[in-house]
Amino acid sequence: GQQVMQIPQYQHVQEGEDFTTYCNSSTTLSNIQWYKQRPGGHPVFLIQLVKSGEVKKQKRLTFQFGEAKKNSSLHITATQTTDVGTYFCAGSGSARQLTFGSGTQLTVLP
Amino acid sequence: EAGVTQFPSHSVIEKGQTVTLRCDPISGHDNLYWYRRVMGKEIKFLLHFVKESKQDESGMPNNRFLAERTGGTYSTLKVQPAELEDSGVYFCASSLLWAGELFFGEGSRLTVL
Repeated sequence: GQQVMQIPQYQHVQEGEDFTTYCNSSTTLSNIQWYKQRPGGHPVFLIQLVKSGEVKKQKRLTFQFGEAKKNSSLHITATQTTDVGTYFCAGSGSARQLTFGSGTQLTVLP
Repeated sequence: EAGVTQFPSHSVIEKGQTVTLRCDPISGHDNLYWYRRVMGKEIKFLLHFVKESKQDESGMPNNRFLAERTGGTYSTLKVQPAELEDSGVYFCASSLLWAGELFFGEGSRLTVL
């Protein structure tokens, strides 16, 4: 079945440093979504990417979808303490159900 | 507009007991999903309803889990009898479109002792 792998599992950064999390699928995806879960909270939708090679920006966050539609990345520029949480990618393929990655837990040190 | 609501927020039961979790999706969302996150690992798909029909229940671990969505509104997930490995956070989510943006509830944390 479809598998979505995400690295790194944990990342500690100093406030102001950049952060990137990577997502790789075993199969070609029709779309990929990114979610953020704050500590003790629930996943909240950030963005959806559909097109091959697509790049979208939300303020300090940059999302990319690979040319082969099998990988994606989320990059945060100049992290802030409010960026703390776990970031999940979730891909939809032939099964049409979203398969979530294992998440990257981001800690931002002040 | 009310979001996805789940009840209870936390349940502690003993092995062998029964627990029923409830989810009220966003009004108008035909798609309702149950997910589970165990021990901080990935969010695993359990099943998907479209209105009152089970569209995909391939993620249900075994026949101790039973999900229903009467009348295509709220949904329940029953675990009977509960085992230790069932502990985790059960998230419900709803969406307007199939495989579209998911709106998650706050989750129901289940602890089986």
